[in-house]
Amino acid sequence: GAVVSQHPSWVICKSGTSVKIECRSLDFQATTMFWYRQFPKQSLMLMATSNEGSKATYEQGVEKDKFLINHASLTLSTLTVTSAHPEDSSFYICSARSSSSSTEAFFGQGTRLTVV
Amino acid sequence: GQNIDQPTEMTATEGAIVQINCTYQTSGFNGLFWYQQHAGEAPTFLSYNVLDGLEEKGRFSSFLSRSKGYSYLLLKELQMKDSASYLCAVLDSNYQLIWGAGTKLIIKP
Repeated sequence: GAVVSQHPSWVICKSGTSVKIECRSLDFQATTMFWYRQFPKQSLMLMATSNEGSKATYEQGVEKDKFLINHASLTLSTLTVTSAHPEDSSFYICSARSSSSSTEAFFGQGTRLTVV
Repeated sequence: GQNIDQPTEMTATEGAIVQINCTYQTSGFNGLFWYQQHAGEAPTFLSYNVLDGLEEKGRFSSFLSRSKGYSYLLLKELQMKDSASYLCAVLDSNYQLIWGAGTKLIIKP
């Protein structure tokens, strides 16, 4: 199957700082990338959908100025958590799809963010 | 609204068989996925059903009935490593994945 690489796997940062998470599709071009957040013992919650070259579409309740998403190329999307707070501590997962009508999305390994 | 229901937790014995059910109500349907997720890891793909019937893949099988809005994941010859959460997700008419809350499966020796 296709490979999606997410980096870093885990990060600890101080409250008030910003953290950037990268998501790369290694062997296919990802026209659409999804960013999820998952709190312990809960399911994945979609934060935003990004299409290459256009602005991300954020789900209701997700602050677009706090969670900056950039999908500048067909193989790279980044999520920047700005001015992080302890309540932003979570597991962040990206997934990528090769086309808008493709049925399968491939997941990155996830990033465990801890804000202290 | 869109809704996916699956049991929160199930317990089974090593070597046995377990069936995890999933019912859904979504706006449109372009297929149903089952994913396995171990704690602290990203989900991994198990199966995809878009037509009615049973799809068998080794120890895992997945069944779909579109008219009933129902699917199940069947795990045979359970192993301790099968202890994980199992997520049901439906691809709606906009090709957006709608996720269930997941079923935590506990395997006992």
